Amino acid sequence: EPEVTQTPSHQVTQMGQEVILRCVPISNHLYFYWYRQILGQKVEFLVSFYNNEISEKSEIFDDQFSVERPDGSNFTLKIRSTKLEDSAMYFCASSVLRNTIYFGEGSWLTVV
Amino acid sequence: GENVEQHPSTLSVQEGDSAVIKCTYSDSASNYFPWYKQELGKRPQLIIDIRSNVGEKKDQRIAVTLNKTAKHFSLHITETQPEDSAVYFCAASRDTGNQFYFGTGTSLTVIP
Repeated sequence: EPEVTQTPSHQVTQMGQEVILRCVPISNHLYFYWYRQILGQKVEFLVSFYNNEISEKSEIFDDQFSVERPDGSNFTLKIRSTKLEDSAMYFCASSVLRNTIYFGEGSWLTVV
Repeated sequence: GENVEQHPSTLSVQEGDSAVIKCTYSDSASNYFPWYKQELGKRPQLIIDIRSNVGEKKDQRIAVTLNKTAKHFSLHITETQPEDSAVYFCAASRDTGNQFYFGTGTSLTVIP
């Protein structure tokens, strides 16, 4: 069964450093998402991406965040200058239509 | 925006008993309600979903009910097994949007 894959699975970074999280969505999916989950809390929406542009973003997705689909397969989340509160599990997800999203295994980001 | 509330936050049941988790939502335009199961350190996995044009959906030991008038939906797990132990998240979204709003999660423990 096709899956959303994410790299790295775990990254430790110094506060203020830039981080890029990578995702390969399921190949025939058209919608791509990033969600995050702070330890012990609920999953929170960051951004959705369709037709090579952001279609929706939350208040969390401020100017330090950006997304890109640099080629036909990868979908990346960049955090420009990480803060301690950015420490969380970041899930990439994709869907054929707007509903029924499938999550990747997540990238655990620790900012120190 | 949408607000999804989920109860209870923790639930312990004896193996073989039933478990019920309830969610309410605020946006009457929401029309898609998935349930995700998340095992420790793993991705949320879709276990069942329901759209607003139906009132109930069943898949083996799992069922979901939806009351559009009252804006609540519930997950029912019958004949629980230890492997059902996980955190369960409900979510709501609408076809015209890309954002899923998640509940705060229910940690289910099935005691052998």
